[in-house]
This record gives sequence, structure tokens and C-alpha cells, in this order.
Amino acid sequence: KAGVTQTPRYLIKTRGQQVTLSCSPISGHRSVSWYQQTPGQGLQFLFEYFSETQRNKGNFPGRFSGRQFSNSRSEMNVSTLELGDSALYLCASSQIAGVTGELFFGEGSRLTVL
Amino acid sequence: SQQGEEDPQALSIQEGENATMNCSYKTSINNLQWYRQNSGRGLVHLILIRSNEREKHSGRLRVTLDTSKKSSSLLITASRAADTASYFCATASEQGGKLIFGQGTELSVKP
Repeated sequence: KAGVTQTPRYLIKTRGQQVTLSCSPISGHRSVSWYQQTPGQGLQFLFEYFSETQRNKGNFPGRFSGRQFSNSRSEMNVSTLELGDSALYLCASSQIAGVTGELFFGEGSRLTVL
Repeated sequence: SQQGEEDPQALSIQEGENATMNCSYKTSINNLQWYRQNSGRGLVHLILIRSNEREKHSGRLRVTLDTSKKSSSLLITASRAADTASYFCATASEQGGKLIFGQGTELSVKP
């Protein structure tokens, strides 16, 4: 069974631009969660999608958005990038909604904002 | 804000020694999980302990949970250089919705 796949793995953007990150969950997993990891703040929950619906959202500004498609693949978008958005963005999938069980993480997308 | 606080922040030991990491949390939980992360990579799930369990084993890993003290510990026995990584505890609240991660313990095992 293929694991969670995130693309792109690395990207560099400049302030004010926008970025879209993609996540393909493990086959059969319908829940996808996104986390931001930075040295200062650690791992912060962004949002969770299950069956194309956002079930839960973390404490991030509206510039951070996401969606999930009918095949469970998910994308997250960050608009009007700021320097502080530089981070490792991690996607995780699970079989059940509510993010209470084991999460399977991808390798992450490392975003650098210049 | 982070739910879990981990202690120590960094730990350096020799191969063959045991490594113990501690995690404290603030609110009632459904379960507590431990994850491992190799430098800049994704997280790998190690073990899950439910709120009604006190101890759990998996290979060289032993996890304890004390809900009265809102704390957990992860013990890695007979450590190996390959165990070098960051270890995170994560709590799932009774209401569910998200895992909240601690700041992590950076473990270095020297050969």
C-alpha cells in the first residue's frame, strides 16, 4: 500500500505570492489533516477534511485554506505569503474522522518564503 | 497553544542505554500517542495508549500513562544509533477533532 504522498517536496516563494500544496492519502483513508511545523511554534494543527467537508480548523488566518476532492486527495492553499509562513507543511491521513486514532504522515512540503 | 509539554527538550545517551522521555498535558484525553520524526521528515506513529490504560509495550518501547497527573512517559530500552530522532507526544481530546502535539524531545544516541 502506498503511503501518504505530498507534492511538491520543496518550494521557494516570495512574499505576497500564493502557494498550493497537494496531499494524496493512503488508499481507503478518507480523513486528511494538515499541520504546520516551525522551530518556534512546533506542530500546529491547520485543518481536517473528511469526505470533502472541513470538520475542524485550527487557529490560523483566513489566508490558509484547503479542500478535499471526491477521491480524498486534498490541497491546501496559502495566499499573500508572509515570511512567517516558511515552514514544513505536513499532511496526515487516517481511516476515521475526528483525528483520534493513528495518523499516517507524508514527508512534508518545505516552503521557504523570501 | 500546545497541549503537551515534553521533558527533556534534548537527550544524549550512548548506545545500549535506556532513554526516557516525559510528556505532560492539560486537559482530559481520549488517548495519547507517541510519534518519531527523523530530521525534517514526516512523523511515524510509534504507539497509542488509551485513557483507560496505564502501560503499553511495543518491542523496545514502553509507554506509561498517569491520567491523575496528566502525564506520560516513553521508555526506549537498549537504544541504538538508529533511534536518533525527535520524539513527540500527541493528545487526542475526548471531543476529538485534532491531535495536539508537544514540542518534542530530541534524542541523540551515540555509537
